[in-house]
Amino acid sequence: EDKVVQSPLSLVVHEGDTVTLNCSYEVTNFRSLLWYKQEKKAPTFLFMLTSSGIEKKSGRLSSILDKKELFSILNITATQTGDSAVYLCAVLDSNYQLIWGAGTKLIIKP
Amino acid sequence: NAGVTQTPKFQVLKTGQSMTLQCAQDMNHEYMSWYRQDPGMGLRLIHYSVGAGITDQGEVPNGYNVSRSTTEDFPLRLLSAAPSQTSVYFCASSYRAAGNTIYFGEGSWLTVV
Repeated sequence: EDKVVQSPLSLVVHEGDTVTLNCSYEVTNFRSLLWYKQEKKAPTFLFMLTSSGIEKKSGRLSSILDKKELFSILNITATQTGDSAVYLCAVLDSNYQLIWGAGTKLIIKP
Repeated sequence: NAGVTQTPKFQVLKTGQSMTLQCAQDMNHEYMSWYRQDPGMGLRLIHYSVGAGITDQGEVPNGYNVSRSTTEDFPLRLLSAAPSQTSVYFCASSYRAAGNTIYFGEGSWLTVV
């Protein structure tokens, strides 16, 4: 059975800290891996990763994929209170179905 | 451009009642889907559609029906509500081949008592 596992489930850090969120997957027909940020409402898209070893970067957020070890990480540097959210990882399979992880709840304390 | 519109935002139902969650998109997306999100479980696919007249079951379809008579609309019907269906429901649409352009509705919070 295809699955996506995120760790940790929750994380509390202080403003300014750097955090690393993990996403491992077992998906038979992998197409790409996606990261989303979810605050109080619907998820919003952050990154899509298709190739191993190529870092995607957007401001203080970056992500990389390892297709050999079947995982991805999402890094956030110099965290701010506005980064508090649930971060969701999902894998798109060859049938264009998204398989979602349970999410990591990130709390940034001022 | 309204994107994906879901209604209602909040609903309380009694066990056994039926209701329909409405979803409409104005982006001419071929692919639409319904998810439910429960604490600690991420998003789980209920039903999806790859185009008008075509629907298929996702991971957790029991207790729900869908139809896709037009490209724009994809309603989700709860046939006989149960407390286990208390959840947040998200409708989403996209061009089929592009997971990075999936658009979500704002969510519908449903409580079944």
